Amino acid sequence: EVQLVESGGGLVQPGGSLRLSCAGSGFTFFSYEMNWVRQPPGKGLEWVSYISNSGSTIYYADSVKGRFTISRDNAKNSLYLLMNSLRAEDTAVYYCARERRDGYSFDYWGQGILVTVSS
Amino acid sequence: QSALTQPASVSGSPGQSITISCTGTSGDVGSYNYVSWYQQHPGKAPKLMIYDVSNRPSGVSNRFSGSKSGNTASLTISGLQAEDEADYYCSSYTGSSTYVFGTGTKVTVL
Repeated sequence: EVQLVESGGGLVQPGGSLRLSCAGSGFTFFSYEMNWVRQPPGKGLEWVSYISNSGSTIYYADSVKGRFTISRDNAKNSLYLLMNSLRAEDTAVYYCARERRDGYSFDYWGQGILVTVSS
Repeated sequence: QSALTQPASVSGSPGQSITISCTGTSGDVGSYNYVSWYQQHPGKAPKLMIYDVSNRPSGVSNRFSGSKSGNTASLTISGLQAEDEADYYCSSYTGSSTYVFGTGTKVTVL
């Protein structure tokens, strides 16, 4: 069974940093491209970042470019999101999402982890 | 990248069919046949319902179907059931492994 489990969320002050992790299991992690998607409380989904299966290709949404860093460790079946210079508008549930093998959509999602940016 | 436009809410009675629209631009929906649809129940993670405009993943009911014309994609739910009550989001590929989601539609089963 495919599973994605996020961790590392919590309360952080504006300007602070946080690193999210996503542990994958039940599939060959290194074969799949991965993404982070977030959802502010009561609002819609927003794509945040993409990383290729090897980690060599990375993209970010404009709203997080220069502040967030996506990475992966295929030996540990893990995906990461390092978030710096956090703002109140970064408050959201963050999901890691696996891209379908053929790409262009997200076939498995983690349960989500809440990040709250507040003083 | 602006969010794709969806109606805020759509409702229908059990057994009826409803259609949710998803309007983008020539730079996203209009350029790629890579529109997907997600169902999200309260407090749960999104679930893939349709990919590549009109394809259903294994295990998704054939009551769900998708289509696209120009810059607008659509999700149709036929034979509406109580369990279909949820939020639905469309998404489109926008090039270079980037994506945009729709504003979301709340489906209510009357």
